[in-house]
Amino acid sequence: AQSVTQLGSHVSVSEGALVLLRCNYSSSVPPYLFWYVQYPNQGLQLLLKYTSAATLVKGINGFEAEFKKSETSFHLTKPSAHMSDAAEYFCAVSEPDSNYQLIWGAGTKLIIKP
Amino acid sequence: AAGVIQSPRHLIKEKRETATLKCYPIPRHDTVYWYQQGPGQDPQFLISFYEKMQSDKGSIPDRFSAQQFSDYHSELNMSSLELGDSALYFCASRQQGSYGYTFGSGTRLTVV
Repeated sequence: AQSVTQLGSHVSVSEGALVLLRCNYSSSVPPYLFWYVQYPNQGLQLLLKYTSAATLVKGINGFEAEFKKSETSFHLTKPSAHMSDAAEYFCAVSEPDSNYQLIWGAGTKLIIKP
Repeated sequence: AAGVIQSPRHLIKEKRETATLKCYPIPRHDTVYWYQQGPGQDPQFLISFYEKMQSDKGSIPDRFSAQQFSDYHSELNMSSLELGDSALYFCASRQQGSYGYTFGSGTRLTVV
């Protein structure tokens, strides 16, 4: 069964520092991959998605993620963290074989230190 | 641009009461998904509909039911509410054959 692993339930970075949130999936077939962000008391918002086109995907708010098939990874990065980036980030995958049902990672809470 | 609309935004119910949550998908989106996110937990898939038929079922309790109507909006009916049902309920929609979901802002249900 497909699974998604996000390493680190909490990641803390200083403002202006690099943000790296890790996501690994288990699938022999490259699935569709997503990163969602959830700000406090709000719904989920799509940051970016990988759909078998370019392996480096650029999203909103300066985030990007790189699909690496050999590592079954889809890590999320941002060169310079802002205080407004503090939120919870979810990695998710979906496959046609599972009717595109989203399989979620557990989420990573990003904490920005002033 | 039109988004997924969920109503109500907040709902407070007492134990053993019933609640109905509504989701209005993006125009031309024919597939609707419901997710439940408990406090401090990751979202759990409940149920999905495609073209007014249930397409997939997740961890939805028997006390809950849902349906999709001819205008593609969906309703999640919850009966005999329990304290543990307090959560944020997300609805997402997409167009069958495409990828990527659009989520609503969620309905926060508090059972007291």
